[in-house]
Amino acid sequence: NAGVTQTPKFQVLKTGQSMTLQCAQDMNHEYMSWYRQDPGMGLRLIHYSVGAGITDQGEVPNGYNVSRSTTEDFPLRLLSAAPSQTSVYFCASSSIGGGQETYEQYFGPGTRLTVT
Amino acid sequence: AQSVTQLGSHVSVSEGALVLLRCNYSSSVPPYLFWYVQYPNQGLQLLLKYTSAATLVKGINGFEAEFKKSETSFHLTKPSAHMSDAAEYFCAVSFTGGGNKLTFGTGTQLKVEL
Repeated sequence: NAGVTQTPKFQVLKTGQSMTLQCAQDMNHEYMSWYRQDPGMGLRLIHYSVGAGITDQGEVPNGYNVSRSTTEDFPLRLLSAAPSQTSVYFCASSSIGGGQETYEQYFGPGTRLTVT
Repeated sequence: AQSVTQLGSHVSVSEGALVLLRCNYSSSVPPYLFWYVQYPNQGLQLLLKYTSAATLVKGINGFEAEFKKSETSFHLTKPSAHMSDAAEYFCAVSFTGGGNKLTFGTGTQLKVEL
C-alpha cells in the first residue's frame, strides 16, 4: 500500500514550457485534490475531484488543468509555465465525508517546481 | 467571508514547556476543523480533527485541541514539548459538507529549544 505518490520530486522548467505533475493513490479514494504551498501563505487549493470524470476549481486554478479518467490518477497540467508558478505542489486524497463524518486527507510527498 | 487565521508564524518553546498554537476561523456555522503537521521536506500528516462529537479532541503525539464556539477558536496544545515536535503546523477548516474541501491557515513554525 503506497498511499499517495507524486512524480517527479523535483522539476525545473523554463517560462512557457508545459508539463504534467503526476499523482496516484491506491486507497480507492473518491476525493482527490491539488494544493500549492508558498512561504507564508499555507496551502492553497488549485483543483479538486470528487470522482472519475468530475473536477472543479479551487482557490487558485488559473494556469492549471486537471482531468480524472480513473479513480487512482489525478494529473495536474501546467499549460505554459510562469515564474509565479514556482512552488511546492501537493496532491491529497480521501474518502468523501457526509453528515458529521469526515475523513483524513492523505498527502503525497510533494513536487518542488522551479520556473526560470 | 469564511477564513482561517493562525496567530504567530513562528513560536519558540523550551523542551518540556507547554505548546500553544492558535487558530481562529470566521464562519457563521461551525465548520470541520483539523490540525496538520509538516516535517521538513515531507507532506502533511493529520494530528487531529473536530467533527462536533466532542469539544476537546485528542490527537497523535500527545497533542490536543479544544473547540470553542463562542471564541471561534481551535487552539492546539501539548503539555510538554519534545525536540521531535519541531515542525510546521497548519490549522485547516472545511466549510462545506463532508469536510473534504480544506482552507488552510498560513502555518506556524514551532521551534523547540534545549
